[in-house]
Amino acid sequence: DSGVTQTPKHLITATGQRVTLRCSPRSGDLSVYWYQQSLDQGLQFLIQYYNGEERAKGNILERFSAQQFPDLHSELNLSSLELGDSALYFCASCSGLLVDEQFFGPGTRLTVL
Amino acid sequence: AQSVTQLGSHVSVSEGALVLLRCNYSSSVPPYLFWYVQYPNQGLQLLLKYTSAATLVKGINGFEAEFKKSETSFHLTKPSAHMSDAAEYFCAVSDKGGSEKLVFGKGTKLTVNP
Repeated sequence: DSGVTQTPKHLITATGQRVTLRCSPRSGDLSVYWYQQSLDQGLQFLIQYYNGEERAKGNILERFSAQQFPDLHSELNLSSLELGDSALYFCASCSGLLVDEQFFGPGTRLTVL
Repeated sequence: AQSVTQLGSHVSVSEGALVLLRCNYSSSVPPYLFWYVQYPNQGLQLLLKYTSAATLVKGINGFEAEFKKSETSFHLTKPSAHMSDAAEYFCAVSDKGGSEKLVFGKGTKLTVNP
């Protein structure tokens, strides 16, 4: 158990809908990362937050947004969903120190029908 | 831009045989390199990391990797495969450390035959 929790574990929805994925980092970790894992694109970095502020952005679509709250949990919002958004979405957390490592949650599997 | 190439999307070995999973990286600065393992229906777990200290890095579960700058490689090895090693393995690179975004390779699925 990495100490990172993600809810829900599975999510099935329809095209055009909006969903919210939630992540609780390990106790004390200030950085939260979101990654998308799909069959065709592999594992891709989406976005990073550090202590409530956006720190880095990767290949995140404009239809996607994220935030980190004062209690350090994070949410990833996906809107106007398309079939191609079906993927496993991972959250990871880290203390923020350069020599640290990222601890990954179990992921949320999103299926868009 | 950084990138990682994992040679071989599938590797099959017999139990007790040597495991060798290949990873080559591209980075314009001294890299930080990682190997993660993903068991079915689970998240990623760090096996080991290279952070510019010793070039031979030992990780969990008997795995190790050697950083070779001249070959831009960071291959993962284990002397004797166990059935429980069957999983998908990902090599990743970061240009500033473990707390920066990771760029992953496509992954190598390891099958261990009895």
